[in-house]
Amino acid sequence: DADVTQTPRNRITKTGKRIMLECSQTKGHDRMYWYRQDPGLGLRLIYYSFDVKDINKGEISDGYSVSRQAQAKFSLSLESAIPNQTALYFCATSGTTGSYEQYFGPGTRLTVT
Amino acid sequence: GENVEQHPSTLSVQEGDSAVIKCTYSDSASNYFPWYKQELGKRPQLIIDIRSNVGEKKDQRIAVTLNKTAKHFSLHITETQPEDSAVYFCAADAGGAQKLVFGQGTRLTINP
Repeated sequence: DADVTQTPRNRITKTGKRIMLECSQTKGHDRMYWYRQDPGLGLRLIYYSFDVKDINKGEISDGYSVSRQAQAKFSLSLESAIPNQTALYFCATSGTTGSYEQYFGPGTRLTVT
Repeated sequence: GENVEQHPSTLSVQEGDSAVIKCTYSDSASNYFPWYKQELGKRPQLIIDIRSNVGEKKDQRIAVTLNKTAKHFSLHITETQPEDSAVYFCAADAGGAQKLVFGQGTRLTINP
């Protein structure tokens, strides 16, 4: 499903570095989300945006920031990466009418050493 | 806020048998309950969902039941096949806001 793409797919970085994960979608959806996945903890919401001018914190926003550059683009930044931010990060999108289905990107595996 | 608990964390069944995964939620305002399947190394994908005005929904071998009074919902897979092996996540929309809270996941293994 190439409708939701994430870059990079894998990244290794050092403690203290700033890193940006990018998400793009061609589904025309207004709503976009960032999740992190850790073993045994499921998917936890970091930030979400219901339109270009709307940004909201999720369950675990500390240490993260986001930018909604356009309807199709939603970026996640780690201002100063720390090892416990090592995880698999997913971007997702959903529409505003009909189905509430969220469409996930392929994920970014981030390792902070 | 919404809290979703999912059980069991791992489940192993013989091919052809049924599998049941259960979830409970805390927010009575939640009204949308999807189930996602994540195969190894892949992204989560929606397999079935249910809204609070419906008690049960079926799609071929998959069914979901919802008990709003007890605040729990379950995924039922019948006649399991090897391709059903995956991690399954339940979720609920927090306060009806289309912001999903996910359960911890169930790793389902189908033994041939």
